[in-house]
Order: sequence, then structure tokens, then C-alpha cells
Amino acid sequence: AQTVTQSQPEMSVQEAETVTLSCTYDTSESDYYLFWYKQPPSRQMILVIRQEAYKQQNATENRFSVNFQKAAKSFSLKISDSQLGDAAMYFCAYRTRSGNTPLVFGKGTRLSVIA
Amino acid sequence: DGGITQSPKYLFRKEGQNVTLSCEQNLNHDAMYWYRQDPGQGLRLIYYSQIVNDFQKGDIAEGYSVSREKKESFPLTVTSAQKNPTAFYLCASTLTGIGATEAFFGQGTRLTVV
Repeated sequence: AQTVTQSQPEMSVQEAETVTLSCTYDTSESDYYLFWYKQPPSRQMILVIRQEAYKQQNATENRFSVNFQKAAKSFSLKISDSQLGDAAMYFCAYRTRSGNTPLVFGKGTRLSVIA
Repeated sequence: DGGITQSPKYLFRKEGQNVTLSCEQNLNHDAMYWYRQDPGQGLRLIYYSQIVNDFQKGDIAEGYSVSREKKESFPLTVTSAQKNPTAFYLCASTLTGIGATEAFFGQGTRLTVV
């Protein structure tokens, strides 16, 4: 069974600085998707970024980028120029590319942004 | 606008009662899911359904039941057999098949036992 591990329960960052959230996963599949979701205090789950495992290029969405290391099964999220609105729970998730399985989530990292 | 609607937002249950959480989607997604969120536990899968009239147990199905009579609807019943039902419940949906990617989520239901 696939597992997703987020080893940092809590992180903090100064406003305008950069922070990296870690995620590792375990799978025997070669084709899959990885995701970072943000859950702000409203508790609405928001997709931040998606990475296809068959693409070598790291995904980027504005201030958010990932470092995808397939061999190491590592998928970290870098937030640049942190803003107060980035404060939230962040969840790493995995899904097989077959599209016939549920998403598997890590336990999350709570990010605080200090003004 | 397409999306997923969960209701109610807050729900209170007395000991020994069954309660049903509603989840409706108009995204034309085949698959729907129920996750439970507890502090420090992340999202744990309760049940999922990939097609009407069929569903599978997730990691923590004991004390819960579901039905999938319509593509748009996937209600979750929390039965009296669930010993610790106080939690935040999230419903999600996805496409299925090759290339199907992320899940879309409802706003959640906070269930409290009183």
C-alpha cells in the first residue's frame, strides 16, 4: 500500500522569506501524481500544485514550486516570498496514474507566517 | 458553478443516535470519497465509490455506512457503533481512469457528540 509521510508537524517562516515543506512517499508504481493541498482556517481544501511523476521538470505555480526527486521518493514544497495568507495546514498527497484509486494523504504540516 | 456541497456545516449528535451527512456534486465525476480529519491524523479514508451502486471500505470504515444511488450523491451515515465520531468530515470527488488527477473537496461537516 502507498504511504505518504510528512515529518514536520509544524513550521514557521518570517513574512517575505522562503520555507520548504518536506514530503516522502512509498510506492511500487512508476506512474503516479503527487499533490500539495492547502487548508486555511476556513478548512476548505485548495489544490496548490500538482506533479506528474513521468515529467522530470518540477512543477511551479507562481510563488509555489516543488522539488521532485523520483528516485528518493521525495516531494518538497517551496514557498517563496511568504505572505500572511500562506498560513495554513499543508497536505501532501499521492494518487496512481491509473486514476482508479483514492488519494492518499500525509498527516499535514501546519505553517505559521510571522509578520 | 460546478462544485461539491456538503451539509450541514455543523452537526450535533446524541449518544446512540445515527446521523447522516450529505454530499452532492455537479462536476459529473464518477468517483466520490469520504475522509475523516482529526488533529495530527491527516485525512483518513472512510469509504469511496467509483460507480453508482458500488462502494468500497477505506481504512477506517467501522461504524460508518454509505450509499450511492445516484451519481451526484454519496451520503455518509455515522452509526451508533462508531465510538468516537467527533471529527471533521470531508467529501471529495474525482474523475476516474488514466489521466484523472486531483480531488475536489466540499466545505466539510463538523460533527460533535453531545
